[in-house]
Amino acid sequence: AQTVTQSQPEMSVQEAETVTLSCTYDTSESDYYLFWYKQPPSRQMILVIRQEAYKQQNATENRFSVNFQKAAKSFSLKISDSQLGDAAMYFCAYRSANYPNSGNTPLVFGKGTRLSVIA
Amino acid sequence: KAGVTQTPRYLIKTRGQQVTLSCSPISGHRSVSWYQQTPGQGLQFLFEYFSETQRNKGNFPGRFSGRQFSNSRSEMNVSTLELGDSALYLCASSHPRAGETYNEQFFGPGTRLTVL
Repeated sequence: AQTVTQSQPEMSVQEAETVTLSCTYDTSESDYYLFWYKQPPSRQMILVIRQEAYKQQNATENRFSVNFQKAAKSFSLKISDSQLGDAAMYFCAYRSANYPNSGNTPLVFGKGTRLSVIA
Repeated sequence: KAGVTQTPRYLIKTRGQQVTLSCSPISGHRSVSWYQQTPGQGLQFLFEYFSETQRNKGNFPGRFSGRQFSNSRSEMNVSTLELGDSALYLCASSHPRAGETYNEQFFGPGTRLTVL
């Protein structure tokens, strides 16, 4: 079974600074996806960024970027120019690639990192 | 396009009762997945429905069940509630296409269930 580990339960960052959230995972599969989700106090889970395992290039979405190290099974999230609205729980998640007629493979989540942004 | 909606948003029940939660997916989405979120166990997959059929199931006891209707709306039911069932229940919808190995899941705001 796949597992996802987030070793930082809480982190804080000054507004406009950069912060990196860590995530490691364990799998024997070769075809999968990795995600970072944001869950603000309103509780709505929002997809921040996605990385396909077969892609060597790290994904980037505006101020959010990842450092994907497949051999090390590491998937960290870097938030640049942090804003007050970035304060939330961040979840790292793993998902096997779907196969025909197998349905959506479940997301496997880490325990989350609570990020505080200091003005 | 309206997002995923879940009703009710908050629910208080007592041990031994049963509860039904509802999830309306984004229009056109035929897959609905359910997750349980607790402080201790984190987010755990319950089950996934597609075209009224359960396709995947997580490791939860038989007290947890679900179904999906022809309009893709889904319900999950928990019978004989226990204190440990207190959680945030999230559903997510997506629109799988044949041959795709990935489709994005969109989450609803969740239903907060408290069991007393």
